[in-house]
Amino acid sequence: EAGVVQSPRYKIIEKKQPVAFWCNPISGHNTLYWYRQNLGQGPELLIRYENEEAVDDSQLPKDRFSAERLKGVDSTLKIQPAELGDSAVYLCASSSTQETQYFGPGTRLLVL
Amino acid sequence: DQQVKQNSPSLSVQEGRISILNCDYTNSMFDYFLWYKKYPAEGPTFLISISSIKDKNEDGRFTVFLNKSAKHLSLHIVPSQPGDSAVYFCAATLPRGNEKLTFGTGTRLTIIP
Repeated sequence: EAGVVQSPRYKIIEKKQPVAFWCNPISGHNTLYWYRQNLGQGPELLIRYENEEAVDDSQLPKDRFSAERLKGVDSTLKIQPAELGDSAVYLCASSSTQETQYFGPGTRLLVL
Repeated sequence: DQQVKQNSPSLSVQEGRISILNCDYTNSMFDYFLWYKKYPAEGPTFLISISSIKDKNEDGRFTVFLNKSAKHLSLHIVPSQPGDSAVYFCAATLPRGNEKLTFGTGTRLTIIP
């Protein structure tokens, strides 16, 4: 069974540029999460989807971050415009309802 | 406010010996705890978990102990193997219905052959 797929794996952009990350969860998993992991820290939740509904986006900086999961399957996380402090690893995870979360390999973002 | 704390950033253990990784939490509402293992350039992978109604859960070489009164949990790996070298994250969740994982900062475990 394929795991959580994320792309790109690495991204380098200049500040003020837009960037987007894509995630395809494990087949059949209706819950999808986006986490951000800063260097030397644990992952922190940005947004959680139940199917196509964002049920917890309290930690998402809505002035520059947006996310969508239009058909309740794959998801896109966007930053516009990016700032230096957005450099981090962006992790996507998925789960069946109330079950263990499975993580993708992450996208490592560097903002110059 | 770091609700889940892993105070040891790194730990080195001889192969074959026991590895003990520690985790403390401050939020008494947490009722489910997990350990994730992370290799470089990979996402965290689930290792073992424990519900707050238990004080021990064992899975092969891995055992997690929970001390609710001390708000402390630990992961024991015995015997330690070179493939266990990774960063270990402790995580906690609130009662079912809120699946947000709150992670600690991680402990880098190095197994010395």
